Amino acid sequence: EVQLVESGGGLVKPGGSLRLSCAASGFTFSSYSMNWVRQAPGKGLEWVSSISSSSSYIYYADSVKGRFTISRDNAKNSLYLQMNSLRAEDTAVYYCARARPVAGRSDAFDIWGQGTMVTVSS
Amino acid sequence: DIQLTQSPSFLSASVGDRVTITCRASQGISSYLAWYQQKPGKAPKLLIYAASTLQSGVPSRFSGSGSGTEFTLTISSLQPEDFATYYCQQLNSYPLFTFGPGTKVDIK
Repeated sequence: EVQLVESGGGLVKPGGSLRLSCAASGFTFSSYSMNWVRQAPGKGLEWVSSISSSSSYIYYADSVKGRFTISRDNAKNSLYLQMNSLRAEDTAVYYCARARPVAGRSDAFDIWGQGTMVTVSS
Repeated sequence: DIQLTQSPSFLSASVGDRVTITCRASQGISSYLAWYQQKPGKAPKLLIYAASTLQSGVPSRFSGSGSGTEFTLTISSLQPEDFATYYCQQLNSYPLFTFGPGTKVDIK
């Protein structure tokens, strides 16, 4: 079964750090670009970051640039999001999502994890 | 940056109704548009990609159309399990992906 399972969420104080993990199974992880998407309580979806299959290309939303770092370990079939200098507005459910490849780019996020909740509060 | 708007933001409908949701892009995005369904407490689920291609396993009552700046998601006959929030997403400005604000479909 194709599956993504996030972990690492929790309660952290403003200015603190947290590292999220996403374990992939059931597909050739090293062949796919991956993404992090977040959803604040009661709000819509916000794309956070993308990483290409070989980690050659990495991109961030302006809202997290300079504070968050995406990475992956293809040998461990795992995706990560290191979150530093956390703010209250980073409070959200964080999803990892697989990008559906087409002609060297992506045209959808076809597999999603169940999400992990990050709460930034004093 | 490309912005997406969805209309309506909320709609109330009955089982069996035909439902149409519109997504508009602030600039042309060719056919790089996807639609997702999200139920409370669950992850989003891909319904449509490339504006009109049905994802494997998604019921045929869902359909998508459009290109450029205007897109629609249609549910031909609303079923009880379709009450959810629907999001569009543009993937033209790769890799700076954007989601629409969502349309909540509720029971009348």
